[in-house]
Amino acid sequence: EPEVTQTPSHQVTQMGQEVILRCVPISNHLYFYWYRQILGQKVEFLVSFYNNEISEKSEIFDDQFSVERPDGSNFTLKIRSTKLEDSAMYFCASLLRQGATYNSPLHFGNGTRLTVT
Amino acid sequence: QQPVQSPQAVILREGEDAVINCSSSKALYSVHWYRQKHGEAPVFLMILLKGGEQKGHDKISASFNEKKQQSSLYLTASQLSYSGTYFCGTVSNYGGSQGNLIFGKGTKLSVKP
Repeated sequence: EPEVTQTPSHQVTQMGQEVILRCVPISNHLYFYWYRQILGQKVEFLVSFYNNEISEKSEIFDDQFSVERPDGSNFTLKIRSTKLEDSAMYFCASLLRQGATYNSPLHFGNGTRLTVT
Repeated sequence: QQPVQSPQAVILREGEDAVINCSSSKALYSVHWYRQKHGEAPVFLMILLKGGEQKGHDKISASFNEKKQQSSLYLTASQLSYSGTYFCGTVSNYGGSQGNLIFGKGTKLSVKP
C-alpha cells in the first residue's frame, strides 16, 4: 500500500538554526498537510497546501515557518530560526480528494522528531 | 475550533468495554477517529458523516448524533492491541478552506492483561 514517507526520522538542531523537514506524499494525492505533536500532547494542525499554495494555516504557523513543494514529489516544512519550544514530532499528511475533502481519511507519515537544544 | 474529548484516560482489563466521547459546540461536517500508538503516526479508524450514523468494524464502532455535534467511539471486549491514544478529528468548516481536520486532545487507553 502506498505510504507517506518523511525524512529524517530524528533531527537535532541548535536554537536559532534553520531546519528543513521533508515529506514525500502519496503520488496521486493532491492535498498536503503538516501537523505538530509536542510530546504527550494532542496533534495540532499547522498548515494545509494545495495547488502550490497554502490553503490554510493555524496561529502556530507564523513567519518562522514556510512550506514548499519544490518538485513533483517532495513537500517540505522549513523553520527559519528554531526555538526550544519547536521541539516536537512533526507529521506530514496527504489526502486524495474524492468529491469532498471532509469525507476522506488523512494518510500520515511516521513523523520527524525535532529536538532543539 | 477544537473538539472536546472525554475521558482523558481509561484503564481497562482485557475483555472490558470502553466509550470515548467527542463533542463540539456547533454542528460538524464530519468526525474522524484515529488511534496512535506510542512513537508512531496516527492511524485512521473511521469517518462519520451523517447525523444518526453508526459504523464500525470488528469490535470497534462509532456513532454520530442526530445534531452532528457529538460522536462516541465504542470499544467492546477490549484486546491488548487496543492500547493507544485515540483522537477524534472534526471538520467544521468546508467553505473556502478544505475543511481542515482539527484534533481533540486525545484519550489514552491502556488495556491490561
